[in-house]
Amino acid sequence: LAKTTQPISMDSYEGQEVNITCSHNNIATNDYITWYQQFPSQGPRFIIQGYKTKVTNEVASLFIPADRKSSTLSLPRVSLSDTAVYYCLVGGPASGGSYIPTFGRGTSLIVHP
Amino acid sequence: DSGVTQTPKHLITATGQRVTLRCSPRSGDLSVYWYQQSLDQGLQFLIQYYNGEERAKGNILERFSAQQFPDLHSELNLSSLELGDSALYFCASSALARGGTDTQYFGPGTRLTVL
Repeated sequence: LAKTTQPISMDSYEGQEVNITCSHNNIATNDYITWYQQFPSQGPRFIIQGYKTKVTNEVASLFIPADRKSSTLSLPRVSLSDTAVYYCLVGGPASGGSYIPTFGRGTSLIVHP
Repeated sequence: DSGVTQTPKHLITATGQRVTLRCSPRSGDLSVYWYQQSLDQGLQFLIQYYNGEERAKGNILERFSAQQFPDLHSELNLSSLELGDSALYFCASSALARGGTDTQYFGPGTRLTVL
């Protein structure tokens, strides 16, 4: 099971780009990287998922270097509403086995006016 | 709105009691996950069911049990409640059971308070 390490907290200002990095040194060949966002007292919400290189959707980009030992979630031009906890999960297809989703403590992002 | 529903929203009960939390997955999703989130423990995976069968088990206490019914809704039963069981309980669903490649859709949660 790939262990992940993220910064506990980050601060930013409205309009800035925010990059949150997750380390996963023992990622397995078939593992994917998934990021979730959670607001207080709400369930986490899927943001983005990737396997290698770069993935972009309407809310974020995910950069994964060639060795895949880390990944960076990039939030362009954050606003106050992006203040939330961001979780990085790593895991692969469970084919026959069982997958234990490990959210950890995540990164608490605070966006200031 | 994720399409996952949970009832009740809030539950207040006393130590030693038993409660049942209910979850209805998104239409078409076969997999249901249960999580516990407390301030000091973060979001902890409890158990996963896929199409009625237990698929994965996390740090679920023996006092807790779950099941998934033929209509795919799931219930989490918590018994002999202790003060430390006070937490937010989330249910999530996914289409299949493909492990780490699945996208999970979370419900709004049930806030349990044990007095």
